Amino acid sequence: NSKVIQTPRYLVKGQGQKAKMRCIPEKGHPVVFWYQQNKNNEFKFLINFQNQEVLQQIDMTEKRFSAECPSNSPCSLEIQSSEAGDSALYLCASSRLGVYAEQFFGPGTRLTVL
Amino acid sequence: QQKVQQSPESLIVPEGAMTSLNCTFSDSASQYFAWYRQHSGKAPKALMSIFSNGEKEEGRFTIHLNKASLHFSLHIRDSQPSDSALYLCAVSLLPGTGSNRLTFGKGTKFSLIP
Repeated sequence: NSKVIQTPRYLVKGQGQKAKMRCIPEKGHPVVFWYQQNKNNEFKFLINFQNQEVLQQIDMTEKRFSAECPSNSPCSLEIQSSEAGDSALYLCASSRLGVYAEQFFGPGTRLTVL
Repeated sequence: QQKVQQSPESLIVPEGAMTSLNCTFSDSASQYFAWYRQHSGKAPKALMSIFSNGEKEEGRFTIHLNKASLHFSLHIRDSQPSDSALYLCAVSLLPGTGSNRLTFGKGTKFSLIP
């Protein structure tokens, strides 16, 4: 079973409010991913890190979204000014390095923006 | 940009049935192909993955890849109630180095006739 921990499990925010969620990757996994799964089950990759460094991110992430993975602290994803369209399940995944490394997912944070 | 499509959108079968789920992808440079299963309210969990043309069997599940056709599939035999879930196919361009993002299909909702 995956040991990726995500908090909180549920988050309710008003439009324009900040929304912050956290992820603790599996022990020994230096790579962390954030994905957004909408109500139609569409996954969107947001950003990934190797240790504290950003590997890849999409344009959306560069604007209202910010993320970090500080050493010895949980990774976090923050939406600066929430919009209704941000309502989704935010999934964190972690993996080892190396060829064919599997991504292990946490249970997600379900964000509802009213 | 990679497009990943799944069919069918939903599937209802009797217990003990054999069935197939399909996934097509658009980028011929793709090198890593996986099926994830997501039970309601739970984290997606990797079921099987494959990297080269052919097929691989693990228990009741078989994955088959045909890169020339830009297609891979998951075959489930002797369907069990615990198989009821959302099945997601995922593709990445790099061979699972752990740093490259997955592109997911929208999923097939699989359930057994009660």
